[in-house]
Amino acid sequence: EPEVTQTPSHQVTQMGQEVILRCVPISNHLYFYWYRQILGQKVEFLVSFYNNEISEKSEIFDDQFSVERPDGSNFTLKIRSTKLEDSAMYFCASLPNGGTYSPLHFGNGTRLTVT
Amino acid sequence: DQQVKQNSPSLSVQEGRISILNCDYTNSMFDYFLWYKKYPAEGPTFLISISSIKDKNEDGRFTVFLNKSAKHLSLHIVPSQPGDSAVYFCAAIRETSGSRLTFGEGTQLTVNP
Repeated sequence: EPEVTQTPSHQVTQMGQEVILRCVPISNHLYFYWYRQILGQKVEFLVSFYNNEISEKSEIFDDQFSVERPDGSNFTLKIRSTKLEDSAMYFCASLPNGGTYSPLHFGNGTRLTVT
Repeated sequence: DQQVKQNSPSLSVQEGRISILNCDYTNSMFDYFLWYKKYPAEGPTFLISISSIKDKNEDGRFTVFLNKSAKHLSLHIVPSQPGDSAVYFCAAIRETSGSRLTFGEGTQLTVNP
């Protein structure tokens, strides 16, 4: 079964540094998402992306965050200047279409540790 | 933001018995509900869903019940197996507004052999 793949599985960075989290969504999917889970807390929506633009973003997704689909396969999340509170598991997800609802397919996540 | 709430952080059951995981929601605009299962070091995996026009959906050992008037849903696993041990997340969505899922806090299910 096709999978959403995410790299790296674990990223350690220093506060203030830029990080890029990478995702390869399922190939025929058109809608892309980032969610995150801070340790011990619930999974939270960050942003959705369709047709090369952000379709929705949460209050968490401030100016420090950006997303990009630089080519036909990758979907990236960039954090410009990381803060300690950005430490979390970041999950990429994708959907084939926006019609009749179908469940999100999640990747295995990138654990981001900001020191 | 407590729109979806799972009040039990953990649940322990014996193999072969029924596991019942509960979820409450406050936003009456939610019209589609899902359960995801998550193992450590993996992403959430879809398990079962239910539309607000139904009150029950069954898939093998898994059944989801929806009580709209009480804004409550539950996941029943019968019979429970040790491999079912995982964190279970309830999630809700306003289907007409796209696919922004709102998750509950999760319940750690442990099935003891």
